[in-house]
Amino acid sequence: QKEVEQNSGPLSVPEGAIASLNCTYSDRGSQSFFWYRQYSGKSPELIMFIYSNGDKEDGRFTAQLNKASQYVSLLIRDSQPSDSATYLCAVKEGGSQGNLIFGKGTKLSVKP
Amino acid sequence: DAGVTQSPTHLIKTRGQQVTLRCSPKSGHDTVSWYQQALGQGPQFIFQYYEEEERQRGNFPDRFSGHQFPNYSSELNVNALLLGDSALYLCASRRGSANYGYTFGSGTRLTVV
Repeated sequence: QKEVEQNSGPLSVPEGAIASLNCTYSDRGSQSFFWYRQYSGKSPELIMFIYSNGDKEDGRFTAQLNKASQYVSLLIRDSQPSDSATYLCAVKEGGSQGNLIFGKGTKLSVKP
Repeated sequence: DAGVTQSPTHLIKTRGQQVTLRCSPKSGHDTVSWYQQALGQGPQFIFQYYEEEERQRGNFPDRFSGHQFPNYSSELNVNALLLGDSALYLCASRRGSANYGYTFGSGTRLTVV
């Protein structure tokens, strides 16, 4: 059973702080990793993807991947109240037709 | 450029009934997957369609079936509805085996009473 684990939270950070979201996965064959943001009652929105070990930065967001530890994280710098949402970690199964396996999500709350 | 569109937005059905949900993928996308998201949970993979065939299936009973049409649009059918089928049903599309993930539609909220 391929699994993706996330701390469900809620994670509460003050405005302007760094929010750190973590995810572990079980499938060593996975090559692609995604972070989706989901506002309450809305559909998931892709915010970051990463394929290679190390860091990938996009604006206030940094994704970090460590395949040896089967660990992927998302850092949100200068957190804003509008970042308050559930963040879903997703791992693409190995193989050309591999689908996304999602974690349960971490609920982030940014307090003004 | 239209994204992924789903219909209907909301639906209320009675136990035992059947339901059909519809999805039009993003322009240029040919692969469609369906996910079920229960309240407070992450999306769970139901099945994937490519070239009008079911290519992969998650751990869902045969009551869940689907179809993909030549224009890449797709339907999800659920028979003999149970209360536990109440969830947000998400359609997601991508182009082939692209590694940049799926684009999701806004979902269909199904309530079974």
